[in-house]
Amino acid sequence: EAQVTQNPRYLITVTGKKLTVTCSQNMNHEYMSWYRQDPGLGLRQIYYSMNVEVTDKGDVPEGYKVSRKEKRNFPLILESPSPNQTSLYFCASSSTPYGYTFGSGTRLTVV
Amino acid sequence: AQKVTQAQTEISVVEKEDVTLDCVYETRDTTYYLFWYKQPPSGELVFLIRRNSFDEQNEISGRYSWNFQKSTSSFNFTITASQVVDSAVYFCAFFSYNFNKFYFGSGTKLNVKP
Repeated sequence: EAQVTQNPRYLITVTGKKLTVTCSQNMNHEYMSWYRQDPGLGLRQIYYSMNVEVTDKGDVPEGYKVSRKEKRNFPLILESPSPNQTSLYFCASSSTPYGYTFGSGTRLTVV
Repeated sequence: AQKVTQAQTEISVVEKEDVTLDCVYETRDTTYYLFWYKQPPSGELVFLIRRNSFDEQNEISGRYSWNFQKSTSSFNFTITASQVVDSAVYFCAFFSYNFNKFYFGSGTKLNVKP
């Protein structure tokens, strides 16, 4: 089954403790992206990748890192999480720059 | 500037009523795509439709229909004979070829009461 898999679905962590949210797709897509969703703001792009080793900042990249060492994986790294990074995160992938398939989301709480 | 506006924050209807969700976008692009996504209470994003800027034909899929009007920069979504299962947050989105990125509206929460 074609899908984008994010883990974990839920995560509660403490301020400053490094964490990684994994994202994997099995569709051989070139394009992958991370978004965060906050009430009243819709989805905002954090980072995106057009292929292996090619990444670029989105609208809200501060406090986040990504890497694309393999085509299928695009992890999101929070080196020192802060409470303002409490949000619902989505990974997405596509064979084109548009028409993304989204993962199921990761609800992150930073206390 | 690229922008998507969903002015309706929340709508409540009674089952079987028709409901229209509004979406207005701003762009100077000539080539772009418009999308609607559904986010049920479980939280995942479900793709509903994609239209490109050159195709202004309205589309109907079961109880769902979409009205794309380039002249008013609108891409409205109508649910006919709404059902409780339609209760969700609906997002309109715009993809810009010039900037190679998505712009999402803030979402409209639809409550369908039995």
